[in-house]
Amino acid sequence: QSALTQPPSASGSPGQSVTISCTGTSSDVGGYNYVSWYQQHPGKAPKLMIYEVSKRPSGVPNRFSGSKSGNTASLTVSGLQAEDEADYYCSSYAGSNMGVFGGGTKLTVL
Amino acid sequence: QLQLQESGPGLVKPSETLSLTCTVSGGSISSFNYYWGWIRQPPGKGLEWIANIYYSGSTYYNPSLKSRVTISVDTSKNQFSLRLSSVTAADTAVYYCARSLGVVLTFDYWGHGTLLTVSS
Repeated sequence: QSALTQPPSASGSPGQSVTISCTGTSSDVGGYNYVSWYQQHPGKAPKLMIYEVSKRPSGVPNRFSGSKSGNTASLTVSGLQAEDEADYYCSSYAGSNMGVFGGGTKLTVL
Repeated sequence: QLQLQESGPGLVKPSETLSLTCTVSGGSISSFNYYWGWIRQPPGKGLEWIANIYYSGSTYYNPSLKSRVTISVDTSKNQFSLRLSSVTAADTAVYYCARSLGVVLTFDYWGHGTLLTVSS
């Protein structure tokens, strides 16, 4: 059960769009539509932003969207705002009642 | 509003067993199809899922930690707990408790986290 692969960093200017990838295998990301994305600001607990690949919990701005193709899931943040600067983690169900997180991506708003 | 609060010793000596408790308020730990889990984050590093439990007592563990971890639930107190044995410095981390939507490990409510340091 290896961690999902995310780029260490991503960046964009206010108003732009940025996409963060999350690559797994056919045993996790590719095998189930149970990919989630979490936002974590420094010193805070993670916050669920996307679940089941593309669903947004109540209260999450529609600037945040998720998708998946094969073994790679993606989080897109449109209309970047200063408060979007945070660490982002993906996670996936990996079968047999197990889960795995990605290594995290630090998003910088330039 | 559902709230989760971790409690623990803060400091544990190497080779000892750490015990953490998560108290759930604003909702029942016995709710159908909600699971309860522990996730940890070493300083400056990423998240690692540790274990989940259902109110019935069904347990699910990260294979990499399974030999050292026990998760339990006390529905009468609306709490669930984690025990991690034979700790080393590598177990130093912020430990979060969280609620999962179903068995698929989608964590929608999180505690604030508690820092556990392993040091002599």
